[in-house]
Amino acid sequence: EVQLVESGGGLIHPGGSLRLSCAASELVVSRTYMSWVRQAPGKGPEWLSVTYSGGDTFYADSVKGRFTVSRDNSKNTLHLQMTSLRAEDTAVYYCARVIGFGGVPNRYFEYWGQGTLVTVSS
Amino acid sequence: QSVLTQPPSVSAAPGQKVTISCSGSSSNIGNNYVSWYQQLPGTAPKLLIYDNDNRPSGIPDRFSGSKSGTSANLGITGLQTGDEADYYCATWDSSLNTWMFGGGTRLTVL
Repeated sequence: EVQLVESGGGLIHPGGSLRLSCAASELVVSRTYMSWVRQAPGKGPEWLSVTYSGGDTFYADSVKGRFTVSRDNSKNTLHLQMTSLRAEDTAVYYCARVIGFGGVPNRYFEYWGQGTLVTVSS
Repeated sequence: QSVLTQPPSVSAAPGQKVTISCSGSSSNIGNNYVSWYQQLPGTAPKLLIYDNDNRPSGIPDRFSGSKSGTSANLGITGLQTGDEADYYCATWDSSLNTWMFGGGTRLTVL
């Protein structure tokens, strides 16, 4: 059974940095599309990034330049480095496996982790 | 404000059916697959429908999806109290090269 387990969330002051992790089992993160998606309290999901198997990552405009995705293939883990955090970054952060077609990650989110809560507040 | 438009809420009695709509544009729904996700309170979204009208293994056939032009629908028949949840549509946007989610629809089974 595929499992995605996020960790690293917590309370952080505005302007601070935080690194989230997504550990996968029964799925090889370096061989598939992986995304980060967040959900602010009472809001719908917001897509943040997609990482291709080759390692390239594309970001939503809302986080471009502040968030960076990296991958540790030896640990089968995806990371999300978040900097210059703002109150509006407060959300539950999910990693998800994405299924694509024709070399594009465009079909659906097949598996989701349980999420990790990030709270940005002074 | 979401690019994909869903009604904020729908409700119906147990055993009845509901349809949840999702409206977009030619750059997203019109030219890409639509998927639907169910989010029970306090849990992560769960894939309900993929590629417009396909159900993953384990999803009952009470749930169905359809797409026409720049709109998609999720249908749920034989409503159960356990179906009370938030439902989200999602699709890729070919112009922006990003994923889009609908604002979500809260289903209440009265």
